[in-house]
Amino acid sequence: GAGVSQSPSNKVTEKGKDVELRCDPISGHTALYWYRQSLGQGLEFLIYFQGNSAPDKSGLPSDRFSAERTGGSVSTLTIQRTQQEDSAVYLCASSRVGTPFQETQYFGPGTRLLVL
Amino acid sequence: DQQVKQNSPSLSVQEGRISILNCDYTNSMFDYFLWYKKYPAEGPTFLISISSIKDKNEDGRFTVFLNKSAKHLSLHIVPSQPGDSAVYFCAASRYSGAGSYQLTFGKGTKLSVIP
Repeated sequence: GAGVSQSPSNKVTEKGKDVELRCDPISGHTALYWYRQSLGQGLEFLIYFQGNSAPDKSGLPSDRFSAERTGGSVSTLTIQRTQQEDSAVYLCASSRVGTPFQETQYFGPGTRLLVL
Repeated sequence: DQQVKQNSPSLSVQEGRISILNCDYTNSMFDYFLWYKKYPAEGPTFLISISSIKDKNEDGRFTVFLNKSAKHLSLHIVPSQPGDSAVYFCAASRYSGAGSYQLTFGKGTKLSVIP
């Protein structure tokens, strides 16, 4: 596809379970970002990938959150032992270059996560 | 501590009139500002941006103004159209020092354009 895709679009899980969220960036985009939007809040930066490496993990809220990127393309965000406060929309974005120039970030539709 | 603030959660405007969406920021390290538009169940879509070295950028019906001394920016939509009804996010960018430009978003303003 031409845009950023994410799966699943919706995920309902029980507290304490692990979840995996997937992001397929735009082909050729080397930079990939994860954000989340909690109810009534703005988008919160989580992690940035340049290729397969993650030079900026400063936004991950706890060690229950981790992410990886393989082949410079698909990325997976994993949340272990989910808590109710993890409920949010998780958004992925990609851009052609992360540094040193500003590049527009293109967003996917997001994954709505609900932890019961 | 909210570094990017959109103090109006909602705004209603008549079709054909001007829509003005406001945004304030606190971090003087921000050097690039963007507006994103978001429809329900979709990801944010880039709309317009401005570098901190400029005070105005115009693209069709959309103009962004930046007042660095006041740490304030605004998005003007003229004339407003019903299809402009969406949530508008203000975002500010700074080099994070770890190889990335981090975007910090406001909470958004829901614009409703009334036909």
